[in-house]
Amino acid sequence: AQSVTQLDSQVPVFEEAPVELRCNYSSSVSVYLFWYVQYPNQGLQLLLKYLSGSTLVKGINGFEAEFNKSQTSFHLRKPSVHISDTAEYFCAVTVPGGYNKLIFGAGTRLAVHP
Amino acid sequence: EAGVTQFPSHSVIEKGQTVTLRCDPISGHDNLYWYRRVMGKEIKFLLHFVKESKQDESGMPNNRFLAERTGGTYSTLKVQPAELEDSGVYFCASSPLGGGHGTDTQYFGPGTRLTVL
Repeated sequence: AQSVTQLDSQVPVFEEAPVELRCNYSSSVSVYLFWYVQYPNQGLQLLLKYLSGSTLVKGINGFEAEFNKSQTSFHLRKPSVHISDTAEYFCAVTVPGGYNKLIFGAGTRLAVHP
Repeated sequence: EAGVTQFPSHSVIEKGQTVTLRCDPISGHDNLYWYRRVMGKEIKFLLHFVKESKQDESGMPNNRFLAERTGGTYSTLKVQPAELEDSGVYFCASSPLGGGHGTDTQYFGPGTRLTVL
């Protein structure tokens, strides 16, 4: 079975500061990795995903994530955050050859302060 | 293009009552998923339709939950009778029928917040 752990439930940060949201996963088989974001009163939308190839993945809104197989991590980073990045961020995995069932972490609330 | 829509946005019912949630996927998306988030916890998969067929219903908690997808378009999720532990946010997502195999981007609706008193 697969599981996803998001190590921080809340991350406060000042505007224009860098941020890293941590995600670790557990799986006995290879997985695909995703980061979704949920802005207030909206559905989740995909930020980025890692399927194969380069371990550094760039997504929308200036976010990027790095897949580290040895540490089973997929941390999300942004060098300079904006107030508009305030949202909840979800790390998730799927299993190759499966039916696209997303297995989520518990989410990290990013609060960007002026 | 309209996104995934869900109705109602909020529902408050009493224990023992019935509630039906509706999801309209993005037009042309054959894959439709239901997920649930109990307060403060992770979002959990409930089931997956491909067109009108249930592909995977391994996440359905018990037989009080019934999901249908009429004609491969919109889907409903009925909870009957509702229990206190059914409270949470129910998300619907859709994706086109494509490569699948775990790589698809799923497009989520805003969710239905269900409160069972």
